Formats: sequence, C-alpha cells, structure tokens
Amino acid sequence: EVQLVESGGGLVQPGGSLRLSCAASGFTVSDYYMSWVRQAPGKWLEWVSVIYSGGNTYYADSVKGRFTISRDNSKNTLYLQMNSLRAEDTAVYYCARTRYYLDCWGQGTLVTVSS
Amino acid sequence: DIVMTQSPDSLPVSLGERATINCKSSQSVLYSSNNKNYLGWYQQKPGQPPKLLIYWASTRESGVPDRFSGSGSGTDFTLTISSLQAEDVAVYYCQQYYDIPYTFGQGTKLEI
Repeated sequence: EVQLVESGGGLVQPGGSLRLSCAASGFTVSDYYMSWVRQAPGKWLEWVSVIYSGGNTYYADSVKGRFTISRDNSKNTLYLQMNSLRAEDTAVYYCARTRYYLDCWGQGTLVTVSS
Repeated sequence: DIVMTQSPDSLPVSLGERATINCKSSQSVLYSSNNKNYLGWYQQKPGQPPKLLIYWASTRESGVPDRFSGSGSGTDFTLTISSLQAEDVAVYYCQQYYDIPYTFGQGTKLEI
C-alpha cells in the first residue's frame, strides 16, 4: 500500500527553523517527483516545492531562498528544511507523490509560526 | 504564473442533482506535442488531505466513482458530478501542472 507520513511540524517563533519529514512506503521516493503543498487555516492549497527524480528542485517564489527540499534515498524519506519562518508560513504542510498530478498525499503536519 | 480561477466559490445542490464546477486558466495548459491538458481535479473533505479525482483533465483516477467526470481543453475546464451523493460534500480544487509553479484554483465548496 502506498503511504506517506509527515512529521516535524510544531510551534516555532518568527525567524526560526523547522525540518519536516515525509516517510514513504509502498514505493520508492527517488523514482518519482515529490512535492510539498501547504494550506493555511481556512485557505486554499498552495504548491510549495517539487524535487524531480533526477534531483532538480523548484520552489514557489514565496519560499525561494528560505526553504530547501531534499530526499534521503536510503530512508525513502522526503524533507523540507524551512528557515527564516514567517507568520504567513503557518499552514498544514502536505507531501505528495507527483506524476505531474499529485496522486498520493500524506495526512499533513501543522506548522505554526508565532511568538 | 498561471492563474487558476474557479466558479462558483460555493455551490448549493440537492442530493441526486447534477453539480458542475468550472475552472479557467490564465493561459492554455494544453501541451501540443502530446495533446494532453495538464489539469487535475481534487476533492478535500474537512480534516482530510486532498484526494485526486481526475487527471489529464478527463481521466478518472482508479477507484473514483463514475459519477465524477472532467471535460474541457485549453483554458476552460469542468468537473461534473452527475448525481450528488451525501459523501460528495467537500471542497473541490483544480490544479495545473503545465508549468512551475504548479497552481491551484481557490476551491469550490459543494453544499447540500
């Protein structure tokens, strides 16, 4: 069964850092594109970042230079390193297997940026 | 960036009725070399992650009931639920994956 489980969310102060993890099972992360998508409370979905199977990475302008997507093939896990966090980064963060379209999503992890 | 605009924002419907949700992209998401529209539809129920319903604008994901269908090409797309069931109450999003940044519509809330 294909499954994605995010972890690492929590409360962080503005300017702080957090690393999100997304453990995959049932498929190999490095064989697919993998994305992070976030959803602020009561808001719509916002694509954040993607890592291609070849390793190329892309980001939304809102997080470029602050967030870094990566993966550990030995752990079959996707990561999102988030630095210089702002209040507007508060959201549920989802990882998603990406075949262009996003066909499998995790349950999400909540990141709250507040003092 | 490609802007995705859905209409309406909310849609009151009755059980058994047909529901139609529209999605318009600010530029074409039809890739001419393979004649595919890079457009997907997702369903999100409260407290749950989104679920893929339709990809390539009209291909139903495995396990999705056939009352869900997608149509359209270029810049104008439609998600149709032929006969609304109670479990279809959700927010529906379109998304283009033609170009980065991938972008979503603002969502359409289906209400009974």
